[in-house]
Amino acid sequence: GAGVSQSPSNKVTEKGKDVELRCDPISGHTALYWYRQRLGQGLEFLIYFQGNSAPDKSGLPSDRFSAERTGESVSTLTIQRTQQEDSAVYLCASRTGLATNEKLFFGSGTQLSVL
Amino acid sequence: AQSVSQHNHHVILSEAASLELGCNYSYGGTVNLFWYVQYPGQHLQLLLKYFSGDPLVKGIKGFEAEFIKSKFSFNLRKPSVQWSDTAEYFCAVTSSGGYQKVTFGIGTKLQVIP
Repeated sequence: GAGVSQSPSNKVTEKGKDVELRCDPISGHTALYWYRQRLGQGLEFLIYFQGNSAPDKSGLPSDRFSAERTGESVSTLTIQRTQQEDSAVYLCASRTGLATNEKLFFGSGTQLSVL
Repeated sequence: AQSVSQHNHHVILSEAASLELGCNYSYGGTVNLFWYVQYPGQHLQLLLKYFSGDPLVKGIKGFEAEFIKSKFSFNLRKPSVQWSDTAEYFCAVTSSGGYQKVTFGIGTKLQVIP
C-alpha cells in the first residue's frame, strides 16, 4: 500500500477483555515498530521486528502484551485482560531496515479506550 | 541504554517569534538523530535528521537543528514561527550500529498564536 495502515482506528473495550491491533507496513519494509502514546506522554517503545531476527520485546510493559509478525508483512499486537491504564494510542511504524539513518513511516494509530 | 530528554513540554509563542526546542540524548556510541513532527490530525512525519557530516542540518518548512556532540544535544530551531507550525515535536535517537531501536523523547507541544 501507499502507507502504513493500522486497524481498527478506534477500539473501545471493557476491562478484562482481549484486544488485537493490526499493522500493515509499507511493502518491502523489513523493520516494524510498535509504540504507545498515553495521554500527555511521549512515545513509548513497545517492540521492534527486523526481518527474520528475534524481535526486541524489551519495551512490552507486561506479559499481557504480545506481538507477532509473519515474515515481512502484517503485525498484530495483542493485549490480554485489558486494564484501564492500557488506554492509549498505539502507533505502528516501518522502514526498509537497510540503514539506521532512515526515517520511520508512521500509521495513523489505533485509539484504544478501556472502560 | 539510549534515552532522549526534551525539556520543554509545552511552548506558546506568537507568530514571528524565534523558536528553540531542546533535545539531549544519552548514548555512548555514534548516533543518528531525528526530529519528527505531528500536526493536528496528521501522522507523525520526519522534519529533519542528522547522521553524519555538517552538524547543522536543515529540514522542511525552514526548520534546522544543530548536533553538538560535546553536549549530547540536537536542538531544533526556527527563526520565525508561523501559526501553521502549531504541532507536537519529537526528538528521536538511534545508534548508527546494527541495532536499530529508535528511542523518542516525550515530545513538545508548540502552540503558535496568530
